[in-house]
Amino acid sequence: DVKVTQSSRYLVKRTGEKVFLECVQDMDHENMFWYRQDPGLGLRLIYFSYDVKMKEKGDIPEGYSVSREKKERFSLILESASTNQTSMYLCASNVQGALRPSNYGYTFGSGTRLTVV
Amino acid sequence: GNSVTQMEGPVTLSEEAFLTINCTYTATGYPSLFWYVQYPGEGLQLLLKATKADDKGSNKGFEATYRKETTSFHLEKGSVQVSDSAVYFCALTIMKTSYDKVIFGPGTSLSVIP
Repeated sequence: DVKVTQSSRYLVKRTGEKVFLECVQDMDHENMFWYRQDPGLGLRLIYFSYDVKMKEKGDIPEGYSVSREKKERFSLILESASTNQTSMYLCASNVQGALRPSNYGYTFGSGTRLTVV
Repeated sequence: GNSVTQMEGPVTLSEEAFLTINCTYTATGYPSLFWYVQYPGEGLQLLLKATKADDKGSNKGFEATYRKETTSFHLEKGSVQVSDSAVYFCALTIMKTSYDKVIFGPGTSLSVIP
């Protein structure tokens, strides 16, 4: 069963801590994404990557960075956690394919609910 | 600009009722259209998709037809179950220069009561 695995379901961190959220996919997908999901705001794209060592800013990259050293792993980094980064974080991946736009949907992880206190 | 609009929730239905969740979109070009479902405490799962006009996507009793003339992709199910209680997201994929961008709707919460 193919999947996207997020390392933690729940995290509690203190303000100012450096936080790492890890995501691993076993489908050999080129593209990986980090979203945050907040009530009333829906899903917002933070960063994405379409290849190893490549990254692109999404709609709300401020306060975040990412790392993609290997194709299967995409890490989201909160350099100095703040309370307004309390949220549900969702990782996703997909294969690009030959058709544009892609007709492949995303495979999502189960999410990490991060609380910053 | 490109956007997805969904009917507001929450939607509450009795078991075995007919479900329609409306979705309309604005997009340049020819997007691919998707429905995702999110069960409580979980990530999103792809429910169905359609990639060109008049295509019908279907899965687990849910259906949606890509209507280019009305720019719509309404989700339907003939008889809902309690286990269908979840949040449903309509989404489209558009082509940018070097990548494909996905735009999600705000989600519609469905609650099915016995």
